[in-house]
Amino acid sequence: QKEVEQNSGPLSVPEGAIASLNCTYSDRGSQSFFWYRQYSGKSPELIMFIYSNGDKEDGRFTAQLNKASQYVSLLIRDSQPSDSATYLCAGSLRYSSASKIIFGSGTRLSIRP
Amino acid sequence: SQTIHQWPATLVQPVGSPLSLECTVEGTSNPNLYWYRQAAGRGLQLLFYSVGIGQISSEVPQNLSASRPQDRQFILSSKKLLLSDSGFYLCAWSWGQGMPDTQYFGPGTRLTVL
Repeated sequence: QKEVEQNSGPLSVPEGAIASLNCTYSDRGSQSFFWYRQYSGKSPELIMFIYSNGDKEDGRFTAQLNKASQYVSLLIRDSQPSDSATYLCAGSLRYSSASKIIFGSGTRLSIRP
Repeated sequence: SQTIHQWPATLVQPVGSPLSLECTVEGTSNPNLYWYRQAAGRGLQLLFYSVGIGQISSEVPQNLSASRPQDRQFILSSKKLLLSDSGFYLCAWSWGQGMPDTQYFGPGTRLTVL
């Protein structure tokens, strides 16, 4: 069973602080990893992806991947109230013509003023 | 740019009734298309994916079916809905090539079966 595990939260972080979201995956064949943000009642929107070991930065967001430990994380710097949402971690496996993405159940993040 | 549409946005249906949800993509050709279901407070479950017209792969056994009659159209159907079919149905598309093969989601259809 291929799984992506996340702490469901809620994770409460004061405004302006760094929010750290973590994710582990079970299938070493997973090639790419994604972080999606989902506001209540809305569809997921892509924040960023990562497929190489190390860090990848995009604005206030930094994704980290450690394939040896099967661990993915997302750091949000200078957290804003608008960052309050559920964050979905996902890993993908490439098949012949399609990629299947396995999603974690999400971590609820709450930024308190 | 690419746009993905889903309709209807909200649907309330009685148990045993049929279902048809539609998804269309604009601005790309020959995309991979996906149907997901998200139960309340849960993660996304992949239901079907398609790499081309008439090509459907099913991920979980259930009373749902999918069809792709046109390149950028993906339809999710059921002949008889169950209470357990309630949820948030999401269509997604990807280029089908390149690394990574990122999926982009439509606005979703919220289905309540009573």
